[in-house]
Amino acid sequence: DAGVIQSPRHEVTEMGQEVTLRCKPISGHNSLFWYRQTMMRGLELLIYFNNNVPIDDSGMPEDRFSAKMPNASFSTLKIQPSEPRDSAVYFCASKTSGSYEQYFGPGTRLTVT
Amino acid sequence: GQQLNQSPQSMFIQEGEDVSMNCTSSSIFNTWLWYKQDPGEGPVLLIALYKAGELTSNGRLTAQFGITRKDSFLNISASIPSDVGIYFCAGPAVGNEKLTFGTGTRLTIIP
Repeated sequence: DAGVIQSPRHEVTEMGQEVTLRCKPISGHNSLFWYRQTMMRGLELLIYFNNNVPIDDSGMPEDRFSAKMPNASFSTLKIQPSEPRDSAVYFCASKTSGSYEQYFGPGTRLTVT
Repeated sequence: GQQLNQSPQSMFIQEGEDVSMNCTSSSIFNTWLWYKQDPGEGPVLLIALYKAGELTSNGRLTAQFGITRKDSFLNISASIPSDVGIYFCAGPAVGNEKLTFGTGTRLTIIP
């Protein structure tokens, strides 16, 4: 069975550019989570969705970050404009309702120069 | 808020040795999850624990849900090179679906 799929795996962009990260959750999972991981701050939850609806976006750092989930099989995390301090690995994870077990994708390593 | 402290922060062991690490919480958890992260990859779920006192194994890995519900332990027996990585504990925040992650234990095997 396919796990969580993320694209791209690596992204290098210049400061000020728009960045879009993509995630396909595991089929049948109805909760989706976006995380950011850095050496300094560890793994931080940015936002999560239940049944395509954003439930908690308190971890989104600022208005430059936005996330959407137009359907059960696709979500995007957008940064506009990007800044060097956004450089990190961004993970998507999904789970089924009634379970706490989250399954992570391979991540997108973002570098903003 | 809830905090999860893992110890040790890092371990340097020789192949074949057993490994023990733990995770402690400032509050009660009803579920404990253990993940492993390889370099350049996402965390992979190893073991899930749902009851205080529960002891669960996955191959050479054994995890326990502490009876106080404020701690959990992970043991790896007869370590091999592919055990290298960062191990995270995690548990759900009270009343919602978000996970709180521990600070991680980095395991290195000395040749």
